[in-house]
Amino acid sequence: GAGVSQSPSNKVTEKGKDVELRCDPISGHTALYWYRQSLGQGLEFLIYFQGNSAPDKSGLPSDRFSAERTGGSVSTLTIQRTQQEDSAVYLCASSSRGLGEQYFGPGTRLTVT
Amino acid sequence: SQQGEEDPQALSIQEGENATMNCSYKTSINNLQWYRQNSGRGLVHLILIRSNEREKHSGRLRVTLDTSKKSSSLLITASRAADTASYFCATDSGGATNKLIFGTGTLLAVQP
Repeated sequence: GAGVSQSPSNKVTEKGKDVELRCDPISGHTALYWYRQSLGQGLEFLIYFQGNSAPDKSGLPSDRFSAERTGGSVSTLTIQRTQQEDSAVYLCASSSRGLGEQYFGPGTRLTVT
Repeated sequence: SQQGEEDPQALSIQEGENATMNCSYKTSINNLQWYRQNSGRGLVHLILIRSNEREKHSGRLRVTLDTSKKSSSLLITASRAADTASYFCATDSGGATNKLIFGTGTLLAVQP
């Protein structure tokens, strides 16, 4: 596709359940980022993948959060034992290393009830 | 928090007027970027200014950067109702990740 895609667009889950969010970056982009946007915290960096290098996980808020990127392309963000404070829009972005600008997907709105 | 600050938080203007948004940040940067967001979903990249640049133009957008004051401004000239959105500055401090640190955002409303 022409842009970054994310699925699902909306997810409602019960507290304590696990969720998986998917991101398909722009073809050929080696860098992939996950961000979270919530009312109280604004836009926060979560995790970064670059090629086959070890990911930068410095933004993950707790060990309930994990992410992987298979084959240098699609990425999955997993949240285990969801809590209400996990409710937010999760945004994925990709970039061609070194060019600076990042291209964002439409986001997944997660609601934990 | 590493977040930058933007002001104003909200801005309402009439079509045809200019809109100016300001951003302040805390650390040294490789570049600063401005993004636009409609309806709380995906962000669209508008313009990037590098740390060795002072001013940049793109269409109706003009961005300035003052690294000594750690501040930037975004000017939208001859605004249109379609410019109504939230605008965020984001700093890239370079290094190994080029992760973005976002400002708090300015909500712009352009009245037709």
